[in-house]
Amino acid sequence: QLFLTQSPSASASLGASVKLTCTLSRGHNNYAIAWHQQQPEKGPRYLMKLNSDGSHSKGDGIPDRFSGSSSGAERYLTISSLQSEDEADYYCQTWDTGIRVFGGGTKLTVL
Amino acid sequence: EVQLLDSGGGLVQPGGSLRLSCAASGFTFSSYAMNWVRQAPGKGLEWVSVISGSGGTTYYAGSVKGRFTISRDNSKNTLYLQMNSLRAEDTAVYYCAKEGSGGGGDTFDIWGQGTMVTVSS
Repeated sequence: QLFLTQSPSASASLGASVKLTCTLSRGHNNYAIAWHQQQPEKGPRYLMKLNSDGSHSKGDGIPDRFSGSSSGAERYLTISSLQSEDEADYYCQTWDTGIRVFGGGTKLTVL
Repeated sequence: EVQLLDSGGGLVQPGGSLRLSCAASGFTFSSYAMNWVRQAPGKGLEWVSVISGSGGTTYYAGSVKGRFTISRDNSKNTLYLQMNSLRAEDTAVYYCAKEGSGGGGDTFDIWGQGTMVTVSS
């Protein structure tokens, strides 16, 4: 069964960096995922596609501060030089034939 | 500009029906699979359904299978979600989302602004 696991919350200070984790279910180590950002009271926004080898392609207008990496079943989103507008929910998403899957989301607080 | 505009939400009684629409612009609509995703109040994102670019293949989440029908009119660049036998637990903001490819599965690279559906007596 394909599913994604995310920690419910994370926090980091203004100007610092943070690394969010999304874990693929067993047997799905080679799956690509996407990261999406949802700021308070707004709809989701696509950030990037992240492949199992760590290569990634970002959506239009996504700042260089956002980057992705991979290790085994783990997929990471790193945000550097944190700004107040980065305080948001972050969701990972993947897919297979007949199914699309979201992680539970991580609520990022910028201190 | 690539854009998706969701509409059709509202208040409906349990057991009732509603049809959502998503108007697309700025890209070749028929070349891409399209999805509906929902978000209940205070909850995370939940995938609802996907339809291939041609409209010939559809899939549903177990929670809506048999009650919801996804469809598209490529001549009108519009995606639909017909929702029947609505329940309180279907209350959510519904988003349409474009996939990055025609149907095999991919990232959701464009999102609509969402339309609120409230199921209540």
